[in-house]
Amino acid sequence: KQEVTQIPAALSVPEGENLVLNCSFTDSAIYNLQWFRQDPGKGLTSLLLIQSSQREQTSGRLNASLDKSSGRSTLYIAASQPGDSATYLCAVLDSGAGSYQLTFGKGTKLSVIP
Amino acid sequence: EAGVTQSPTHLIKTRGQQATLRCSPISGHTSVYWYQQALGLGLQFLLWYDEGEERNRGNFPPRFSGRQFPNYSSELNVNALELEDSALYLCASSLWTSRYEQYFGPGTRLTVT
Repeated sequence: KQEVTQIPAALSVPEGENLVLNCSFTDSAIYNLQWFRQDPGKGLTSLLLIQSSQREQTSGRLNASLDKSSGRSTLYIAASQPGDSATYLCAVLDSGAGSYQLTFGKGTKLSVIP
Repeated sequence: EAGVTQSPTHLIKTRGQQATLRCSPISGHTSVYWYQQALGLGLQFLLWYDEGEERNRGNFPPRFSGRQFPNYSSELNVNALELEDSALYLCASSLWTSRYEQYFGPGTRLTVT
C-alpha cells in the first residue's frame, strides 16, 4: 500500500527566504507526482505535476524535482512571500491495477513572516 | 472554461441523518473522484466513478455511497451520519483519456452535530 510522508509538518520562515519542502513515497510504481496548495478551509490548487519519466518541473518561483528510484520529491520555493503561506500537499498517482486514486501526504503548513 | 463545482458549500447535519453532496465535473470530463479530508487524517480517496459506474472504492464503510448521472455529474451520499464524518469532501474530475490528471473542486464542508 502506497504511503506518502511530508517533512516538515510545519515551517515558519521570514519573507524573502528560499525554502525546500520534502515528500517521500514508499512504492516507486507511480504515474506521476503532484504538488498542491491548500488555503485554510478551501479546495486544492495544483502547482506542479511531474510525470514519472520527468526529473523536474518549474513554474515561476516554484521548482519540483522527482527521484522515483529513491521515492523522493522536493518542492523548492524561491524568494518566499507572505502570500505563499498555505498548506502544501504532495500526492502520487499509482500505476498499478488501474486504480487512478491519488495518495496524499498530510502536508506541510508554511508560514511566511513579513 | 468552468472548473469543477460542488454544492452545497457547507452542510450541517445531525448524527444519524443522511447527507447528499453534489459535484459537477469540468465539461468533457467523464471521471469523477471523491476524497475526504478529516481533521488530522489527511486527504483520503473515497470513490471513483466513470461512465456511470463505480470503478474503485477506498477503505470506507458501505454507508458511503454515490452515483454518477448521464451528464457525468455525481452525488455522494453518507447515511447514518457519525460525528467523525465531519470533514471537507473534495470532488475531482478527469478526462477518460487523461485519468492521471485530476482537477479539484472547492469542496463541501460537512459538519455533523
